[in-house]
Parts: sequence; structure tokens; C-alpha cells
Amino acid sequence: DAKTTQPTSMDCAEGRAANLPCNHSTISGNEYVYWYRQIHSQGPQYIIHGLKNNETNEMASLIITEDRKSSTLILPHATLRDTAVYYCIVRPSGGNKLVFGAGTILRVKS
Amino acid sequence: GAGVSQSPSNKVTEKGKDVELRCDPISGHTALYWYRQRLGQGLEFLIYFQGNSAPDKSGLPSDRFSAERTGESVSTLTIQRTQQEDSAVYLCASSRITLSYNEQFFGPGTRLTVL
Repeated sequence: DAKTTQPTSMDCAEGRAANLPCNHSTISGNEYVYWYRQIHSQGPQYIIHGLKNNETNEMASLIITEDRKSSTLILPHATLRDTAVYYCIVRPSGGNKLVFGAGTILRVKS
Repeated sequence: GAGVSQSPSNKVTEKGKDVELRCDPISGHTALYWYRQRLGQGLEFLIYFQGNSAPDKSGLPSDRFSAERTGESVSTLTIQRTQQEDSAVYLCASSRITLSYNEQFFGPGTRLTVL
């Protein structure tokens, strides 16, 4: 499985966009980029995933660079409830286990 | 609808005792996963069940750890002769499987403390 690199922590002002970067320079052609988050004392929660194209859902947008070596998760209007650890994961097509790194601690501040 | 449930939510045990943790997946989800999360760390994959296929046990840290699942229903994770380093939150997840999509739904976890 390709390894991912994320900043340890980030701060964001409430109401602003939170942009969380992830490097996955060893990603291969059939590997998807997944984002999960874990709010304190809860299990992880799926956010979004993508292969090549940018993706958007009700929670976030995922921007994947053309060479697929990095991506950015965008929370368009961060709220205090978005404070969590955000995990960027690379998973092969049909792969079954998720390899979680340390993630990025996002602190949304009022 | 009902999500993934786990029991107990908390378990305190003495070193050397056996413990059994239970996971009820979402109905219709063929895949079930167990992860361990030590304090302040990311999740470690333990084991994966998919339908009637042989489970992927590649993440089990020692032979003291075992897990069972009957069909596509409940799973139990058993830790024998518990050690203090087994203290962690044990998380279960379930999912449907397709080639392109695998959203895992996590339960709330069981917090295990070994004294």
C-alpha cells in the first residue's frame, strides 16, 4: 500500500475553508485516495474518496493533482464540530484493509 | 437504520485473564474488520472477514489474539492471557464491497484496560 504524508496539525477559523493536504507520491494506478475523520472518542467516519477526478459531496471536496501524487481535502465552511483527526488513506481497488497513519489534527477555532 | 454496535463499551480486566469483545455489523454488510487504536495513535488493522472466504489475519499481533465470525453476522475478538500492552480501544467496522468503493462504517469501539 502506498504511504501517505500529512501535516501533524492545522488550525482553521470557524466559517473559513479548511484545506488539508496529503502527499502520496508512490500511489499506483489502481489505488484510490480515501479520507476519514475521527472525532474525539468516536470511531472513524468516512468523508470522501476519489481516483483521478475531483470529487464533491455534502461534507467536503477532494482535489487530486493531475499526477495523483498529492491531494487536498477541502471543508468549505469549517465549524467547531469539524475539529477532529483527518486521515488520508491510499487503498488499492478492491482492497480490504485501511492503513491509517497518524493523520492531521484539525482544530477549528471561533 | 442501526449502525455497527460493539459490546462491552468498556472492559477492565486483570493481566492474564481472557477477554471477548463483540461486534454486530450492519445488516447486509459482507465485510467485517477489527482494528486496534492505542492511546494517541492511529488505527492498526487486525483482521478482516469477507463472506465465507478465509479471513485475512495478517494484522493479528500474536497468537493470543483470535477472531471468529459466523456467516455475515456477529463477530467476536478474543484476547487470551491479556497483557498491559493490550490496553487500547478495539474498533470494529463493516462494509459492502465493490471494486471501486469500500466505505467502512465503524462502531463506537470497546475500551480495554488491562491492569
